[in-house]
Amino acid sequence: EAQVTQNPRYLITVTGKKLTVTCSQNMNHEYMSWYRQDPGLGLRQIYYSMNVEVTDKGDVPEGYKVSRKEKRNFPLILESPSPNQTSLYFCASSFNGQPQHFGDGTRLSIL
Amino acid sequence: GQQLNQSPQSMFIQEGEDVSMNCTSSSIFNTWLWYKQDPGEGPVLLIALYKAGELTSNGRLTAQFGITRKDSFLNISASIPSDVGIYFCAGTISSGSARQLTFGSGTQLTVLP
Repeated sequence: EAQVTQNPRYLITVTGKKLTVTCSQNMNHEYMSWYRQDPGLGLRQIYYSMNVEVTDKGDVPEGYKVSRKEKRNFPLILESPSPNQTSLYFCASSFNGQPQHFGDGTRLSIL
Repeated sequence: GQQLNQSPQSMFIQEGEDVSMNCTSSSIFNTWLWYKQDPGEGPVLLIALYKAGELTSNGRLTAQFGITRKDSFLNISASIPSDVGIYFCAGTISSGSARQLTFGSGTQLTVLP
């Protein structure tokens, strides 16, 4: 079954404690991206990657890092999380950038 | 920043009624996509539009890519309870990266029995 898998689905943590949200897709897609969803703002793109070792900033990249060492994986790294990064995060993938297939989301709470 | 205006923000309709929502932008778009999000899940693609003027259907859903390339609408006919959810428009701006999707803020649809 074609899937975009995110882990964890839920995480409560504290300010400054580094965390990583993993994303994996089994469709051999070249393109992967991360979004955050906040009430009233829709989805905003954080980072995207067009292929292995190729990443670029989206609309709201501050405070986030990504890496693309393998085609199937695209982890999102928060080196020093802050409360304003409390949000619902989605990973997505596609062959050429669109349309994109989304994971089920990761809800992060930074205290 | 966000460059799509999606309306309405929310809708309450009776089962069986038709629904219409739209997105507009001051920028020209190369693609328009419509997604639906159910609670606790990620957005699921409903319809993708790639050419100005294109009208595409998916069951009871119909979407159009506006002629000016600055707008799109989604119609749902004969609504049913499972249509409840948040509907998002999204697209790629012609002046931006083809890999960068911009999303509207969503339309929350409630279908009353």
